[in-house]
Amino acid sequence: GAGVSQSPSNKVTEKGKDVELRCDPISGHTALYWYRQSLGQGLEFLIYFQGNSAPDKSGLPSDRFSAERTGGSVSTLTIQRTQQEDSAVYLCASSQRGGMYNEQFFGPGTRLTVL
Amino acid sequence: AQSVTQLDSQVPVFEEAPVELRCNYSSSVSVYLFWYVQYPNQGLQLLLKYLSGSTLVKGINGFEAEFNKSQTSFHLRKPSVHISDTAEYFCAVSGMNRDDKIIFGKGTRLHILP
Repeated sequence: GAGVSQSPSNKVTEKGKDVELRCDPISGHTALYWYRQSLGQGLEFLIYFQGNSAPDKSGLPSDRFSAERTGGSVSTLTIQRTQQEDSAVYLCASSQRGGMYNEQFFGPGTRLTVL
Repeated sequence: AQSVTQLDSQVPVFEEAPVELRCNYSSSVSVYLFWYVQYPNQGLQLLLKYLSGSTLVKGINGFEAEFNKSQTSFHLRKPSVHISDTAEYFCAVSGMNRDDKIIFGKGTRLHILP
């Protein structure tokens, strides 16, 4: 499989618990993005990685959200002390690089439900 | 920095009628432009993109978009829609530098009426 994969596909958690969402981008793609999509809402940008560095973290909603990327590949989005408003589909996308190489390939998403 | 505006959050249109989904962008530099589509319960996929050359770009499923630099627009059109075109459509913009990130609009939900 050469596409972007995300795990888990579904996650149900209790309010106050921490969760980790994983994204495996397409091999060789240096750019990686995390988005959030709530019911009936558009894409909400969270964070952008170029390699292992994150030049733009401006979309992270609060300090409960963090993300890292290691080896220029796998990325993990961590949400601490989850709240009900964190319930959404979290999408990951990768592209070769920026600019004209910005054709994004999206993963299937992780549906997070906070009870 | 760039920004994208999709003025219509929802567009209803009768089957076999033409449709135009509007997208305007703002940028102080030249840009690349994209349209993505998200069918119900599916992931986003690229519909078409403008990088350079002809301002009229053709994409999948009979869609096309025209880049208008003077009006800073990149509207998406289809001459005759089908029920299967029901989806959410996202316009996106990127600067031309290799590290420029892509920026998405808020999306337009296309409802096809029978």
